[in-house]
Amino acid sequence: RKEVEQDPGPFNVPEGATVAFNCTYSNSASQSFFWYRQDCRKEPKLLMSVYSSGNEDGRFTAQLNRASQYISLLIRDSKLSDSATYLCVVTPYNFNKFYFGSGTKLNVKP
Amino acid sequence: GAVVSQHPSWVICKSGTSVKIECRSLDFQATTMFWYRQFPKQSLMLMATSNEGSKATYEQGVEKDKFLINHASLTLSTLTVTSAHPEDSSFYICSAVQGSFNEKLFFGSGTQLSVL
Repeated sequence: RKEVEQDPGPFNVPEGATVAFNCTYSNSASQSFFWYRQDCRKEPKLLMSVYSSGNEDGRFTAQLNRASQYISLLIRDSKLSDSATYLCVVTPYNFNKFYFGSGTKLNVKP
Repeated sequence: GAVVSQHPSWVICKSGTSVKIECRSLDFQATTMFWYRQFPKQSLMLMATSNEGSKATYEQGVEKDKFLINHASLTLSTLTVTSAHPEDSSFYICSAVQGSFNEKLFFGSGTQLSVL
């Protein structure tokens, strides 16, 4: 079983839509969680960390459900510039490994 | 965020030659760096974990004699693809962990390797 699993998509949504991605992880001892964004042929860039209490950064909201071992990312009022692949990342307590999901592709259409 | 510099961005080489890729943390010290490979439309695949002053830890299926990793200082790790072959053509990305209490992973800009 993979450490981190994501729906690969693609999610095709119109501008202004709200879209949500989920990601599940297999190791219940995982400590830290992140969402990264990757544009085509570019390096991944940190979008936001995910905290147990949930956190929001502008149009982006991340949530963690430890009991069910999943994290989510909600994007409100989608922009064309949000089109990218979103990667879910999980790491154990000692940060000696960062496990990546395969990514969920988002296409925001005009 | 922290800055990780990776060079070169693009490399085209002949089959059988060796290619060195550098990864530098510019504004922080990185005791641990990671090397990933990504094929088109696929996810990042961890190749190895590079620890300053010690041998790298390679993931299963990654040949340590082919992908030589050196992490001689807290700000520099290098990946050398030895005797490159066309199947080694890929996007190679390094990353480094920054922070003592809120570790985050920052990436270099990647190196596109094309072996002819």
